[in-house]
Amino acid sequence: ETGVTQTPRHLVMGMTNKKSLKCEQHLGHNAMYWYKQSAKKPLELMFVYNFKEQTENNSVPSRFSPECPNSSHLFLHLHTLQPEDSALYLCASSQDPAGETQYFGPGTRLLVL
Amino acid sequence: DQQVKQNSPSLSVQEGRISILNCDYTNSMFDYFLWYKKYPAEGPTFLISISSIKDKNEDGRFTVFLNKSAKHLSLHIVPSQPGDSAVYFCAARAAGGTSYGKLTFGQGTILTVHP
Repeated sequence: ETGVTQTPRHLVMGMTNKKSLKCEQHLGHNAMYWYKQSAKKPLELMFVYNFKEQTENNSVPSRFSPECPNSSHLFLHLHTLQPEDSALYLCASSQDPAGETQYFGPGTRLLVL
Repeated sequence: DQQVKQNSPSLSVQEGRISILNCDYTNSMFDYFLWYKKYPAEGPTFLISISSIKDKNEDGRFTVFLNKSAKHLSLHIVPSQPGDSAVYFCAARAAGGTSYGKLTFGQGTILTVHP
């Protein structure tokens, strides 16, 4: 595997479910990111991790809970989501948070019913 | 308040012609600009970038122009090919302050290149 991978690629969940999104990067980068892309809106940064430490939480509701056990893996734990949380969730990584170029995974398309 | 704007939601171009994608920004703290390309069912892929100390960067068929006084950048694709059909995102990085390193994205422009 190369680059940035995300699983699952598609997810349908009810509002009372708990699920997790997984991201793995094989680029040796130190910074990882979660973005949300809703229909017809720009990518919105959710969280930034640098060397496993969270350095940014962009006012994200607590029903989204990130976890970064090491520099290569990033999770987004989801619980009691709302239908308006349906979106494409993208993971990205870069050499460091000031690294100009971020490399993205393919995303997880989430539908909350 | 959207700091990076791509005012054209879509652009249609004939194969072989030039495609010009535009992006405007409002934050004078931005010091680095990037263009990403996104195909359906894939994540955005990095295309080309430019530092604020330059006004032009070229890579093959792709050229990015930066006009700092106008807070405007553009991506030129010459010649356009059907495989260039995708969504193009402009992004900008803040030079300092609490937003250092963060990328702010535009809402994207759908480019369609017709054979």
